[in-house]
Amino acid sequence: DIQMTQSPSTLSASVGDRVTITCRASQSISSWLAWYQQKPGKAPKLLIYKASNLESGVPSRFSGSGSGTEFSLTISSLQPDDFATYYCQQYDSYPLTFGGGTKVEIK
Amino acid sequence: EVQLLESGGGLVQPGRSLRLSCAASEFKFSSYAMNWVRQAPGKGLEWVSGISDSGGRTYYADSVKGRFTISRDNSKNTLYLQMNSLRAEDTAFYHCANDYGLGTYMRYWGQGTQVTVSS
Repeated sequence: DIQMTQSPSTLSASVGDRVTITCRASQSISSWLAWYQQKPGKAPKLLIYKASNLESGVPSRFSGSGSGTEFSLTISSLQPDDFATYYCQQYDSYPLTFGGGTKVEIK
Repeated sequence: EVQLLESGGGLVQPGRSLRLSCAASEFKFSSYAMNWVRQAPGKGLEWVSGISDSGGRTYYADSVKGRFTISRDNSKNTLYLQMNSLRAEDTAFYHCANDYGLGTYMRYWGQGTQVTVSS
């Protein structure tokens, strides 16, 4: 199974900050990576697919990059609505696996 | 607007069974693979099972293999998860989610149904 490791697990930031979350795969997954945002009590929301493709309707302040085993999600200017937990997910092979999550908190 | 509505969750004793349903609307259900993803209280997301658009191919996490069965009825636009021999560690919110391909990313998610396994 492919293990996905996210860092940091918690991130404290202020509105307007540039924020980067990292996701590492235990083996190469090419660009088969998605990012999701989840708020308490809600379903996850797709943000990015194929490592860097922005899902329709997602603000352009979100961007994804990377390939192989190293990936990142960047929020260029953190907004109040962005305080949430973020997950990466690999879809190179079954079983599909998620990272442990990164909680973005208000500083 | 795409809707996925899960049902069938509840409180069940260890060793018992439960069947979850996911009713889909406003998208061509029969054209998409589907998944079940769960989230234990205070924990992260865990993929549980996936099924192809026709239902002919199914996939499971090792943690549920042999105990859970995924199925679908395209005539009813409904996805199912039959859960047998339930354990305390199966306690979680269970979400259904559509799959862009087969074993890819998940664009649409349901709000989930709570399953609690406890005596």
